[in-house]
Amino acid sequence: NAGVTQTPKFQVLKTGQSMTLQCAQDMNHNSMYWYRQDPGMGLRLIYYSASEGTTDKGEVPNGYNVSRLNKREFSLRLESAAPSQTSVYFCASSEEIKGADGYTFGSGTRLTVV
Amino acid sequence: GEDVEQSLFLSVREGDSSVINCTYTDSSSTYLYWYKQEPGAGLQLLTYIFSNMDMKQDQRLTVLLNKKDKHLSLRIADTQTGDSAIYFCAEIFSGGYQKVTFGIGTKLQVIP
Repeated sequence: NAGVTQTPKFQVLKTGQSMTLQCAQDMNHNSMYWYRQDPGMGLRLIYYSASEGTTDKGEVPNGYNVSRLNKREFSLRLESAAPSQTSVYFCASSEEIKGADGYTFGSGTRLTVV
Repeated sequence: GEDVEQSLFLSVREGDSSVINCTYTDSSSTYLYWYKQEPGAGLQLLTYIFSNMDMKQDQRLTVLLNKKDKHLSLRIADTQTGDSAIYFCAEIFSGGYQKVTFGIGTKLQVIP
């Protein structure tokens, strides 16, 4: 099915470990985003990529890096995981940043850092 | 700065109407959205309204926009148990970087 695919769905890390969350979309969208969702805080933007070859910081970028590998793929890396990064991570994509079509979200990665 | 506020919880009986409310701060918002999140899933776009509209109806969903009060509402007619989910209000914020700002979500519980 067309949409946004995130891997893995679940992950447990030890403090200090690194990992990369993968995201791919097959809708030929230009823009892609990484959000984290925490109880009582809604969704907060970590990084976004307005188009292939560009990335920009969002609201909460500290502790994360991203790579827009090509138009389809946008990965999120945690270099040294901390318990404060325990969250649900969502990747999303859209045709453009300011569009009526809104965002298409992946199903999320549930990350626990112990 | 931008802010989108929603109440946390709403409980309704099956067959009744649900009204989920949202207030926002950016008067220059171009689009306002309602997203639905079912347990264990990502957000799904339900509907949107352009800022020059007052109302939009889509089957059981009615969106009302009061620009003067910066108030957005989502009415779900004949609420069903399948409507139980978290509903997020969101706006486009045209600030230093362009992004969609989400509220914290309203959890709708439908009682059979």
